[in-house]
Amino acid sequence: DGGITQSPKYLFRKEGQNVTLSCEQNLNHDAMYWYRQDPGQGLRLIYYSQIVNDFQKGDIAEGYSVSREKKESFPLTVTSAQKNPTAFYLCASTLGRGAEAFFGQGTRLTVV
Amino acid sequence: KQEVTQIPAALSVPEGENLVLNCSFTDSAIYNLQWFRQDPGKGLTSLLLIQSSQREQTSGRLNASLDKSSGRSTLYIAASQPGDSATYLCAFLAGGTSYGKLTFGQGTILTVHP
Repeated sequence: DGGITQSPKYLFRKEGQNVTLSCEQNLNHDAMYWYRQDPGQGLRLIYYSQIVNDFQKGDIAEGYSVSREKKESFPLTVTSAQKNPTAFYLCASTLGRGAEAFFGQGTRLTVV
Repeated sequence: KQEVTQIPAALSVPEGENLVLNCSFTDSAIYNLQWFRQDPGKGLTSLLLIQSSQREQTSGRLNASLDKSSGRSTLYIAASQPGDSATYLCAFLAGGTSYGKLTFGQGTILTVHP
């Protein structure tokens, strides 16, 4: 079945540590996105990528980094510079601009 | 700043009722609007996508309408069931903005009780 797979489902980060969230899609979509969801704030865009080897900052990119070496994969690294990383992270993809967006099941990151 | 407002924030109804969820947005030049469902602790499931040239879309018991001039969209759920209980989110893609960047509302939490 086609879809978006995010792993792990739960992730715990120690202070000062970098962690990487995985996002893989087999929908053959060109564009991929990372959103952050916090209670009472809705979803906010972190980074997006329209094509392999290209990505753009979203509204809240500080403290995050991404790569897009393969069409299927768009990993997100939460660096130690992100001061409040505890949140629910969602990966999405679209076939093109204006197309229907599909989401993964999310990764819940908690700082311990 | 582009914004999306969803009203009501929470709704509790008995099974079998027809209900309407509201979404208003500040940018009338939208490219499209999408409705999603989110179960607790889960990702988003796409329900309906309405392009700017369309007035409504239907899927089963769901019907979504779009009125760009007034900046509003509604999601109509017919004959609600307990399985419809979830958070419903609307999001729009503004015309001329960054590629694929959706602006989300904060959602309506729906509870359908037997």
